[in-house]
Amino acid sequence: GENVEQHPSTLSVQEGDSAVIKCTYSDSASNYFPWYKQELGKGPQLIIDIRSNVGEKKDQRIAVTLNKTAKHFSLHITETQPEDSAVYFCAARGMDTGRRALTFGSGTRLQVQP
Amino acid sequence: SQTIHQWPATLVQPVGSPLSLECTVEGTSNPNLYWYRQAAGRGLQLLFYSVGIGQISSEVPQNLSASRPQDRQFILSSKKLLLSDSGFYLCAWSVQGARQPQHFGDGTRLSIL
Repeated sequence: GENVEQHPSTLSVQEGDSAVIKCTYSDSASNYFPWYKQELGKGPQLIIDIRSNVGEKKDQRIAVTLNKTAKHFSLHITETQPEDSAVYFCAARGMDTGRRALTFGSGTRLQVQP
Repeated sequence: SQTIHQWPATLVQPVGSPLSLECTVEGTSNPNLYWYRQAAGRGLQLLFYSVGIGQISSEVPQNLSASRPQDRQFILSSKKLLLSDSGFYLCAWSVQGARQPQHFGDGTRLSIL
């Protein structure tokens, strides 16, 4: 089955700097890659996703890039703000037709210092 | 718009007691439904998913079971809780079909004493 690794586990940046979180996946047939933001005591919220036929997607200060050859994808947050502080999870959906769910990375705790 | 509700938000149960966590979705029909468990400081582990009423797939052998008595209702149960069942339980839904995003509820924090 699919295996997703996420790095780093913790990341501290100064307000206004950029933050980059990286994930690798094992199933070369995976075709959908969402990113989630989870605040304390809440469920994960989808912030951006990318499908395998696209190399990059951007939504305001957030962008995701996908390298299918290397089997990795990254989340980029520019001009970070204190409210960006949270735990971020990447995920990948493999092509196992018997399994319609996502495999998640272990999470990155982002701390934006004001 | 679609919404997902989970309850209770927190639950403290003794070892050996039964469990019932409920999840309902509004504003959509025939969704895929999922139960995940999140250990402290860890990622999400899929426990069960359902593509329709009465259709449940289990991802890992465990002390828990799931049921889907109605289209937009998903229930997580146990007959006898173990200490290892402690965790943060999340329900999610998605539209049927490939490459659809999953949307999560706010979870139930379960503590077993």
